[in-house]
Amino acid sequence: NAGVTQTPKFQVLKTGQSMTLQCAQDMNHNSMYWYRQDPGMGLRLIYYSASEGTTDKGEVPNGYNVSRLNKREFSLRLESAAPSQTSVYFCASTTGPTGRNQPQHFGDGTRLSIL
Amino acid sequence: QQQVKQSPQSLIVQKGGISIINCAYENTAFDYFPWYQQFPGKGPALLIAIRPDVSEKKEGRFTISFNKSAKQFSLHIMDSQPGDSATYFCAASKMDSSYKLIFGSGTRLLVRP
Repeated sequence: NAGVTQTPKFQVLKTGQSMTLQCAQDMNHNSMYWYRQDPGMGLRLIYYSASEGTTDKGEVPNGYNVSRLNKREFSLRLESAAPSQTSVYFCASTTGPTGRNQPQHFGDGTRLSIL
Repeated sequence: QQQVKQSPQSLIVQKGGISIINCAYENTAFDYFPWYQQFPGKGPALLIAIRPDVSEKKEGRFTISFNKSAKQFSLHIMDSQPGDSATYFCAASKMDSSYKLIFGSGTRLLVRP
């Protein structure tokens, strides 16, 4: 019953360092998403992958890249971390159209601090 | 550009009271409106959702009221319990191939014993 697994759970980086956030789901879902959550701003979509082999920009893609490695895994990369990227990052997945009562399932987040 | 506006930012309710959280949207193409509940240290989880062809949906103590003409929807929590203390997000989505959700800014609910 793992659902959506995110690693690491916590990370501290220095400005300019790079890192990759990992996400894997075991629900055979087609679509996967990366969000960032900041106080008072809700969840904002960074990138998404509607299906294996495709990726698209969301609302706040600058400074990030993604890779849909296979159907299970969707990674988020910060090439040169900036303090403005300090946030909690959530990965989510869904089997299909949310309009057909298919919820997005979220992981428990990666808390990232950039000094 | 905030497509889904949520209020209030925080809410304190006594046990047994009614909690009401409101959301307004701008894009008339939205056709799916879920509410997510998030506990500290956890990811959001779907609580209840509504389509615009109905004006109300109830699941236990949780009710969504939907006003299509006003482009507003709200979450009512009846008989609020301390275990309901969490952050609540409204969201909206269009029926397209991206299945993207646009979230409101969140409401932190505290239910006092």
